[in-house]
Amino acid sequence: ETGVTQTPRHLVMGMTNKKSLKCEQHLGHNAMYWYKQSAKKPLELMFVYNFKEQTENNSVPSRFSPECPNSSHLFLHLHTLQPEDSALYLCASSQLLYNEQFFGPGTRLTVL
Amino acid sequence: QKEVEQNSGPLSVPEGAIASLNCTYSDRGSQSFFWYRQYSGKSPELIMSIYSNGDKEDGRFTAQLNKASQYVSLLIRDSQPSDSATYLCAVNRSNYQLIWGAGTKLIIKP
Repeated sequence: ETGVTQTPRHLVMGMTNKKSLKCEQHLGHNAMYWYKQSAKKPLELMFVYNFKEQTENNSVPSRFSPECPNSSHLFLHLHTLQPEDSALYLCASSQLLYNEQFFGPGTRLTVL
Repeated sequence: QKEVEQNSGPLSVPEGAIASLNCTYSDRGSQSFFWYRQYSGKSPELIMSIYSNGDKEDGRFTAQLNKASQYVSLLIRDSQPSDSATYLCAVNRSNYQLIWGAGTKLIIKP
């Protein structure tokens, strides 16, 4: 595997389900990010981890819960989501905090 | 005023012409500037980084930075239909947060 990988690529879930998104970076980077991208809107930064420590939480609802067990892996745990949470969820990594970021392919999430 | 502003487009350019994409930013202390390309349904892909005033060229792409005027631009020479995408400008603020523009949709017409 190379670059940044994300699984699953597509996810459909009901409002009462619990699911997790996984991200893995193979670039030796120190910082990892979760973004939300909705149609016609700019990228929204959700969470930032630097050396596996959370450095940013942009007022994200508690139904989104991040986890970073090491500097190569990042998870986003989802529970009791709302239909408006349907979006493309992107993971990115960078060598230096907030410098050149490399994105995974994203998870297309649909909440029914 | 938005922190990073881009014209949403669409910007329509004939094949073979130069496409010019612009981005303005509000934080004078910003130090790093990035251009990403995003095809429909795909994730953003880094195409250029620029850190100092002037031009930086990479193949058909040229990034231009003018810190005094607080703008950064991306020129695409010899535009190809495969260049049709949304181009995102990202600016690293003085507090190191990366702020994203909403993107400019570029259409290259054969």
